[in-house]
Order: sequence, then structure tokens, then C-alpha cells
Amino acid sequence: EEQLVESGGVVVQPGGSLRLSCAASGFSFDDYTMHWVRQVPEKGLEWVSLISGDGTSSYYADSVKGRFTISRDNSKNSLYLQMNSLRVEDTALYFCAKDSHQANMDVWGQGTTVTV
Amino acid sequence: EIVMTQSPLSLAVTPGEPASISCRSSQSLLHSNGYNYLDWFLQKPGQSPQLLLYLRSNRASGVSDRFTGSGSGTVFTLKISRVEAEDVGVYYCMQSLQTPRTFGQGTKVEIK
Repeated sequence: EEQLVESGGVVVQPGGSLRLSCAASGFSFDDYTMHWVRQVPEKGLEWVSLISGDGTSSYYADSVKGRFTISRDNSKNSLYLQMNSLRVEDTALYFCAKDSHQANMDVWGQGTTVTV
Repeated sequence: EIVMTQSPLSLAVTPGEPASISCRSSQSLLHSNGYNYLDWFLQKPGQSPQLLLYLRSNRASGVSDRFTGSGSGTVFTLKISRVEAEDVGVYYCMQSLQTPRTFGQGTKVEIK
């Protein structure tokens, strides 16, 4: 079974830093693009970032560009989101999600909560 | 950035009746390869989002054939042929043609 498990969400002061992790299992991790998507409580979904399977390409939402860095360690089947210069508006539930060869975001984790 | 607009924002449906959600994009999602890069997700209460349809009309694994996607270019529709209690939640469309990926505001579906 394909599974994603996020961790690392905590309460942090504005201006602080945090690293989120996403542990993948049940699929060939390095074959797939991975995403971070966030959701403010009781609000909609906001795409944050994506990284290619080999880690050479990454993209960011304007709202986080220059502050957040997505990375992956394919030897550990893990995805990361380094979050710096955190703002109150970064408070959200953060999900990781994987693409398949055909579809976008076909598997999602349960999310980890960041409170700034 | 492509702006996605859904309507209605909420919908109350009688079990067994059909339901329809509209999604419009500010730019065409039709790629030169002939595919419309439009996906639909459902977020059930207290759960993570789940993929329903990808590339406009392809059902994700395990998704009921009661869910159908249609449209092309900038106007798309998700139809549920006969709503069941398990279909309640918030439905989102998302464009996957370009980055940044962008979602619609969401449509909350409730049972009457």
C-alpha cells in the first residue's frame, strides 16, 4: 500500500524556522514528483511546492518563494520542506502528496500542523 | 497564475438525486497533446483530500462510476449521477497544466 506520513509540525514564533518531513512507503519513491500542499483551518487548499523525482527541479508558490525550500532524500524515501522566516499566515495543515505517471496528487498524507 | 473558480460554493442534495459542480479556469487547460489538465479532489470531513478524477475525466483507482468529468478549455463540470451519503465533503478542482498549481475555492456538498 502506498503511504505518506508527515511529521515535524510544531508551534513556532514568527521569524522562526522549521523542517517538515514526509516518509514514503509502498512505492518506488524516486520515480515520482512530490508536492507540499497546505490548508488553513476551515479554508481551501493552497499548493506550496513540488520537486521532481530526481530532485533536480523544484517550483514554489509566490507566497513562499525565497523562504521555503523543498528537498528529498531518495535513499531514505523522504521528502522535506525547510521553512524559514515563518509568518503568521503560514499557519496551516501541511500535506505531502505524490504524483503518479498519469495523475497528479494521487496519494496524500494525513498532514502535519504548523502554528506560527 | 491560472485562477480557478468553482460554483456553487455549497450544495445540498437529496440522496439518489444528481449533483453538478462547475469549475472555470482563467486560461485554457487544453494542452497541445489533446489532454485537459484539470483534476478533481474530494475532501471528506476530517480526512485528507483524495483524487477523484484526473485529466478531466479519468477516474482514480477505486472511484465510483457515479462520478463523471466533462468540459474542455476553460469550462469543466463534475457530475455525480446519484448522490450517496458517503459523497459529502468539499470538492476541489485543480489545474495541473502549469506551476503554480491552483485550486478552486471548493464546493461543500451536504445531504438534505
